[in-house]
Amino acid sequence: GESVGLHLPTLSVQEGDNSIINCAYSNSASDYFIWYKQESGKGPQFIIDIRSNMDKRQGQRVTVLLNKTVKHLSLQIAATQPGDSAVYFCAERNAGGTSYGKLTFGQGTILTVHP
Amino acid sequence: DAGITQSPRHKVTETGTPVTLRCHQTENHRYMYWYRQDPGHGLRLIHYSYGVKDTDKGEVSDGYSVSRSKTEDFLLTLESATSSQTSVYFCAIKSGRGDNEQFFGPGTRLTVL
Repeated sequence: GESVGLHLPTLSVQEGDNSIINCAYSNSASDYFIWYKQESGKGPQFIIDIRSNMDKRQGQRVTVLLNKTVKHLSLQIAATQPGDSAVYFCAERNAGGTSYGKLTFGQGTILTVHP
Repeated sequence: DAGITQSPRHKVTETGTPVTLRCHQTENHRYMYWYRQDPGHGLRLIHYSYGVKDTDKGEVSDGYSVSRSKTEDFLLTLESATSSQTSVYFCAIKSGRGDNEQFFGPGTRLTVL
């Protein structure tokens, strides 16, 4: 999962394996949780989001799970490919007031996929 | 790339000098954001804009100012650069307040010596 400090969590997998990236969030009042992918030298790219009243959402090869009891979010990538190698960020969306819609990002997890 | 560009892409400057970074979009998105990205801190919001001349502070706004005089451009200014502002700066855009998908620019790597 995400952690404080200079060293990002890392996950190394073999091509074809399933990957699970974890994130602990802090704000119970967030109304959406989002996953972004950042490839080396590029800006982050949206992957998938989940509303706070849901516990699971599936996309193409990705599934996001939300456990509000323990404030935990995970991203599952099926049949991981070398092109999935990147840093993955979770983000919380602020639910109200003047900060509505703003995102707070976690520190990221490095995923490395070996051929 | 969602029609978003940043300039310059790389800059090296000295402590105490003013620096302006430009974010330009071609898709008429209302919302624009400036983030900085540092090891161990992920992406942190500096300032954002919700329309022409409408801006607000993010979580790390000290030492930065912004301006948005037209829809397509969002400028970030470091009035007097410090070494702690060495970072990679990303601009992002989105259409609606409730949207979760922000489109990010390619980033500007700024080094303050």
